[in-house]
Amino acid sequence: AQTVTQSQPEMSVQEAETVTLSCTYDTSESNYYLFWYKQPPSRQMILVIRQEAYKQQNATENRFSVNFQKAAKSFSLKISDSQLGDTAMYFCAFMKHRTGANNLFFGTGTRLTVIP
Amino acid sequence: DSGVTQTPKHLITATGQRVTLRCSPRSGDLSVYWYQQSLDQGLQFLIQYYNGEERAKGNILERFSAQQFPDLHSELNLSSLELGDSALYFCASSVTSGPNYEQYFGPGTRLTVT
Repeated sequence: AQTVTQSQPEMSVQEAETVTLSCTYDTSESNYYLFWYKQPPSRQMILVIRQEAYKQQNATENRFSVNFQKAAKSFSLKISDSQLGDTAMYFCAFMKHRTGANNLFFGTGTRLTVIP
Repeated sequence: DSGVTQTPKHLITATGQRVTLRCSPRSGDLSVYWYQQSLDQGLQFLIQYYNGEERAKGNILERFSAQQFPDLHSELNLSSLELGDSALYFCASSVTSGPNYEQYFGPGTRLTVT
């Protein structure tokens, strides 16, 4: 079974500062995908960034980057130059690399507040 | 706007009743997923359909069922509703059932059981 753990229920950061959200996972799969989703107050689920486990290079998307440590089964999200619009719930998610059953397994989320 | 539509946005009903949630995937997407987000269970996968066929089942209760129609829209049927079924129900779609394709989420249907 796959489990995703987010140990920080809530975090806050000053506007323009950098913050890192933690995520660990447990799986016996050798190949898989990892994701960070953002859920603002509107409740819409928005994909922030994805990482393919077989790629060594950490994914980046503008101000968002990840630190993927496969051996440690760790997948943290770094948000640089935090903006007020980054205030949201952030969910870490796991997907097996297989065709057919490729649903997402989610962590419990981290509520991030950006303080002006 | 993800291109995935869900109706209704809100639904309030009583215990014991039956409801149907509807999802229209993005144009061209063949795969549909249903997720439930509740305070108790968090975000969890319910069921996946691909081009009309069931592909995977998660923690879906026997009281719940789903189907995907020839026009690719999907419906999630919830029966004998209990207070604990109150949740936000998301539909997501992707181009195929493979892992390389992003799942786009709809805005969700907020179900309140009283």
